Amino acid sequence: SQTIHQWPATLVQPVGSPLSLECTVEGTSNPNLYWYRQAAGRGLQLLFYSVGIGQISSEVPQNLSASRPQDRQFILSSKKLLLSDSGFYLCAWSPQGEETQYFGPGTRLLVL
Amino acid sequence: GDSVTQMEGPVTLSEEAFLTINCTYTATGYPSLFWYVQYPGEGLQLLLKATKADDKGSNKGFEATYRKETTSFHLEKGSVQVSDSAVYFCALRDTGTASKLTFGTGTRLQVTL
Repeated sequence: SQTIHQWPATLVQPVGSPLSLECTVEGTSNPNLYWYRQAAGRGLQLLFYSVGIGQISSEVPQNLSASRPQDRQFILSSKKLLLSDSGFYLCAWSPQGEETQYFGPGTRLLVL
Repeated sequence: GDSVTQMEGPVTLSEEAFLTINCTYTATGYPSLFWYVQYPGEGLQLLLKATKADDKGSNKGFEATYRKETTSFHLEKGSVQVSDSAVYFCALRDTGTASKLTFGTGTRLQVTL
């Protein structure tokens, strides 16, 4: 069966520090991958999605970036965090050609 | 662009009460519609979905019917339990290649004894 992992589970970082969140999927190949952010009291915002290795589409321009160095690995990064980057970051995957997305457990980020 | 509007929460109900969470959408085509649930401290789980008009999705006692004429996908449950306390998200899938989902802002449900 397929599983999706995210780490770390929680992270507290100072403003201006770098960020790297990792997401990996097991038990499938060539999945679509997604990064969402859920800010406090708000819904989910799609940040990036990827349909293959090295293929990244950005939905919202900001100081975050994403990379997909391997088929089942999706990384969310920042060179300098802002206070407004605080939130709950969710990674998701979907099989190619299918609609349903499956979410990871999330990473709670607090920027101070 | 596509959008999803959900009723604002929180919704507080007593156990065994009837639940309705309203969801309406705007889309140019004929999207698929979803309800996801997020339990405290966890990621999202798919609750149910419907892919075309008049389809009814159902799971764990929850139901939602795809109403094209009213562009709605309201979530219902006849008798809620304390364990149903969570945040519920309505979402639609656009017809692009990457199955991108557009989410509503979520509705928090609190069920008390």
